[in-house]
This record gives sequence, structure tokens and C-alpha cells, in this order.
Amino acid sequence: GDSVTQMEGPVTLSEEAFLTINCTYTATGYPSLFWYVQYPGEGLQLLLKATKADDKGSNKGFEATYRKETTSFHLEKGSVQVSDSAVYFCALSDRKAAGNKLTFGGGTRVLVKP
Amino acid sequence: DTGVSQNPRHKITKRGQNVTFRCDPISEHNRLYWYRQTLGQGPEFLTYFQNEAQLEKSRLLSDRFSAERPKGSFSTLEIQRTEQGDSAMYLCASSLMAGEGQPQHFGDGTRLSIL
Repeated sequence: GDSVTQMEGPVTLSEEAFLTINCTYTATGYPSLFWYVQYPGEGLQLLLKATKADDKGSNKGFEATYRKETTSFHLEKGSVQVSDSAVYFCALSDRKAAGNKLTFGGGTRVLVKP
Repeated sequence: DTGVSQNPRHKITKRGQNVTFRCDPISEHNRLYWYRQTLGQGPEFLTYFQNEAQLEKSRLLSDRFSAERPKGSFSTLEIQRTEQGDSAMYLCASSLMAGEGQPQHFGDGTRLSIL
């Protein structure tokens, strides 16, 4: 079945540091890929998405490129802020699966210190 | 766009009791999903509706769980005879049906604690 693997956290960074969170996936079909972010006490918010190979999703300074050859969708940000402290989830929806249900990774907690 | 609304935010109950959660999706969204998230884990799919029809249920959804979406609007998730293992955050999401890669929009969840 489909699965998503993320690097385990917590990831602790200083403000203005470079952030990378690795994400790899296994899917029987040709999935769409997503990054969601969960701030403390809040629900999941869509951060960015990509629907086909070599697509780059970007939002709020975050980027991720859909790499079909390596089945990866790593999240990057060049200069993090304290406000980026959150839990980040990589997810896929498989087009062969009914209803486009999401399969999530385990989440990566990021803590940015001033 | 008022977002996905879930009620209650928190529910504390004794083992063996029944609980019901409500989800109000974004009004024009015809798909509605329920997920369960345990501490430190990613959300896991439970079930989804397309309009009023429940089209898929995960094997995680035991026969103590039932979900409805009458008239294709709000949805309820009921857990009967709650057990300690039911303690989790229950998330609702909604999306449009058409197109690939349609993002799901999540509510803030209902946190269930079983005493």
C-alpha cells in the first residue's frame, strides 16, 4: 500500500538557518504530493502541493520539488523564522485510490530559536 | 469561506460511554473526510463521503464507529462504547471533487480523552 516516510524530529534551528525536511514515498499509482503544517493548538494547513513530476510547489518561502526518480518531496526554506516553529507533515493522495484520501507521514517537529 | 468547523473542540468521557462529533465543511465542498491522529503521529484516514454517500471506510473504523452525512452537508461521527484506545484527535476535512491534487481543508479537530 501507499506510505510516506519523513525524517524524525525534533529539528532545532537558529533563526535565519536553512531548513530541509526529507520526505520519501511509496505509491502504487501516480500520486499528488502535499506538505501540511500544524501550528500549536491548530488544525492542519496546506503549505504547498505538486501534482506531477518535476513540479515545484512553493509558499511562504518554502519549496518542494516532486522527484519521481527518487520518489521524494523534500521541503526546504532558506531562512527560517521563529514563527515557522510547527509540525510539518508530508502527504500523498494516490489517483488510483478512490476519493483522493491522504496518506500522511509521521510528522517532523521544527523548533526555531531566536 | 468560513473554513471547516468542528464541535466540540474537546470531549472528556468515561470508558463505555457514547460520543458524537460534528463537522461542518466548507459550503461548496462535496467531499468530506474523517481522520484520526494520535499523539506524535500523522493523521490516519477513517472514512469519506461524496455528497451524502459514504464511499469508503478504513479497516480502522470498527463497528463501534459510525459516520453520517445527511443531505450532503454537515457530518457526524459517533463512537459507541468508547475504549481507552479511542483517545485521539479526530480531524475532519473537506474538498471539491473535481480535478487532480485537490487540497483538503482541515478543521481544528475534536480531541477525545477517555477516562
